[in-house]
Amino acid sequence: DGGITQSPKYLFRKEGQNVTLSCEQNLNHDAMYWYRQDPGQGLRLIYYSQIVNDFQKGDIAEGYSVSREKKESFPLTVTSAQKNPTAFYLCASSPRDRERYGYTFGSGTRLTVV
Amino acid sequence: DAKTTQPPSMDCAEGRAANLPCNHSTISGNEYVYWYRQIHSQGPQYIIHGLKNNETNEMASLIITEDRKSSTLILPHATLRDTAVYYCIVRAYYNNNDMRFGAGTRLTVKP
Repeated sequence: DGGITQSPKYLFRKEGQNVTLSCEQNLNHDAMYWYRQDPGQGLRLIYYSQIVNDFQKGDIAEGYSVSREKKESFPLTVTSAQKNPTAFYLCASSPRDRERYGYTFGSGTRLTVV
Repeated sequence: DAKTTQPPSMDCAEGRAANLPCNHSTISGNEYVYWYRQIHSQGPQYIIHGLKNNETNEMASLIITEDRKSSTLILPHATLRDTAVYYCIVRAYYNNNDMRFGAGTRLTVKP
């Protein structure tokens, strides 16, 4: 079955360390997105990519970096510059005809920085 | 993209219809209304979307007012598994940016 895989589901890191969250999709979707969710809040966009080798900043890109070397993969690095990285991170993808099919989300990675 | 307003929380009895409202008074003619839901600690799930006609699928119905300034998501026979946060989003089809998810409505289905 096609879908989006985020790994790991839970991640613990020490303060000051960079950490990379994985997002892989086998849906042949063109666009991919990273969102952050804090407890009781909605989703906030970090980065998005419409095509390979191209990506744009979202609303809260500071302290994060991404790459899109392959259509299937859109990893997110949380750097030590991110002041409050503990959150639930969600990856999504959409086809070119997103208006018909909407977004597909992964199951998320819960990052805790201690 | 137009902004949306949703009540922060609602309750519904199991087996009854759940009607979730959304106001989008600044919606423009090329903007669709989307609904997603998020069950606790999972990724959001697409439910339904529409432009101006009412829409129905296996999960829900979407009723959009004639002036398109508000809409209602209807879950016809709510079950305990429908307890989730429901997001209403308005977005133009040609918009190459993301979808903006607000705080949504927390629906609690009670036995």
